[in-house]
Amino acid sequence: NAGVTQTPKFRILKIGQSMTLQCAQDMNHNYMYWYRQDPGMGLKLIYYSVGAGITDKGEVPNGYNVSRSTTEDFPLRLELAAPSQTSVYFCASVTSGGTDTQYFGPGTRLTVL
Amino acid sequence: QKEVEQNSGPLSVPEGAIASLNCTYSDRGSQSFFWYRQYSGKSPELIMSIYSNGDKEDGRFTAQLNKASQYVSLLIRDSQPSDSATYLCAVNHAGGTSYGKLTFGQGTILTVHP
Repeated sequence: NAGVTQTPKFRILKIGQSMTLQCAQDMNHNYMYWYRQDPGMGLKLIYYSVGAGITDKGEVPNGYNVSRSTTEDFPLRLELAAPSQTSVYFCASVTSGGTDTQYFGPGTRLTVL
Repeated sequence: QKEVEQNSGPLSVPEGAIASLNCTYSDRGSQSFFWYRQYSGKSPELIMSIYSNGDKEDGRFTAQLNKASQYVSLLIRDSQPSDSATYLCAVNHAGGTSYGKLTFGQGTILTVHP
């Protein structure tokens, strides 16, 4: 199993550009999450999904969109990038939403200039 | 708003000492508690989970949970330089609509010096 994979690893965007961060998992997990981590801070939840076709907002959803057309993939879309979106983005997945361990991808480091 | 607070760092301990990391949470309905270790430039990795009051030991790591005081801690015995990392406390407000969402503390940087 590859676990949770994310692409790209690094990206520099100009203000106003758009991009999609890719996340995929091969563990047949139902629940998937997108977090952002600003320097010296913990992780904040952006969006989450409990299954294909079902998504909902987390703590900091503004400026982002998600979709979940398959169990495996959970892309995060940034529209009109802003410097405030400079961060490291982590995708995570878990089998169910109770006590199971969340598995994290390697992260995408995004800089908006 | 559900909050998770960790003791401010950085924490520096000598090799072989016990490192003590603390975390408090605001939501009394919280049911699952996790400690993640994050090396610089890497993703968080789970090192301990605890769900009921008391202590849970795994090798050199001991997690302690006190739900009445809304407090969870992590002890690292015989600290090694390889333990130097940021430690993140995370809380799952498990329930019908929580969907496994985690709230993270801001992290505590631990440095173990030889």
